[in-house]
Amino acid sequence: AQSVTQLDSQVPVFEEAPVELRCNYSSSVSVYLFWYVQYPNQGLQLLLKYLSGSTLVKGINGFEAEFNKSQTSFHLRKPSVHISDTAEYFCAVTRNTGTASKLTFGTGTRLQVTL
Amino acid sequence: KAGVTQTPRYLIKTRGQQVTLSCSPISGHRSVSWYQQTPGQGLQFLFEYFSETQRNKGNFPGRFSGRQFSNSRSEMNVSTLELGDSALYLCASSQDGSWVRGANVLTFGAGSRLTVL
Repeated sequence: AQSVTQLDSQVPVFEEAPVELRCNYSSSVSVYLFWYVQYPNQGLQLLLKYLSGSTLVKGINGFEAEFNKSQTSFHLRKPSVHISDTAEYFCAVTRNTGTASKLTFGTGTRLQVTL
Repeated sequence: KAGVTQTPRYLIKTRGQQVTLSCSPISGHRSVSWYQQTPGQGLQFLFEYFSETQRNKGNFPGRFSGRQFSNSRSEMNVSTLELGDSALYLCASSQDGSWVRGANVLTFGAGSRLTVL
């Protein structure tokens, strides 16, 4: 079975500052990794995914993440945040065989961007 | 291209009642999965349907059930509602839910928010 740990439940940051949201996973098999964002009263939107290849993954809205197999981490970064980035961010993992629909999510990190 | 559509968006029920939620996947997507989101338990996988068959199931009691129609639309049903069933229920679709053909990323709907009183 897989598990995901998001180390920070809340991350406050000033606008235009850089941010890193941390995610660690545990799995005995090879996995695919994802970051989703959830704005208030909305569903989940995919930010980026790691399936294979380059360990540095670029996503939408200027976000990127780096897959580190030795540290079992998949931290999300953005060099300069905007007020509109205020949302809940979820890291998710699934094994890379079988059905792609059973994601295991972390508990989420609330990113609060202020002026 | 229309996204994943869930109805109703909001509903209120009382304990003991039952509820049916509907999900229309993206056109051409044949796999539909359901997730429950609560403040206490977070996002949890309920089940997945593909070609009108339940292909995968999470750890939820039998009160939670679903089905999929020939047009890939899906419904989930919760019987004998409990207070703890209050949650945002999210539906997600993908092409066929398999990694065999490469990326099969889930696209989520906006959810149905159920309140049980």
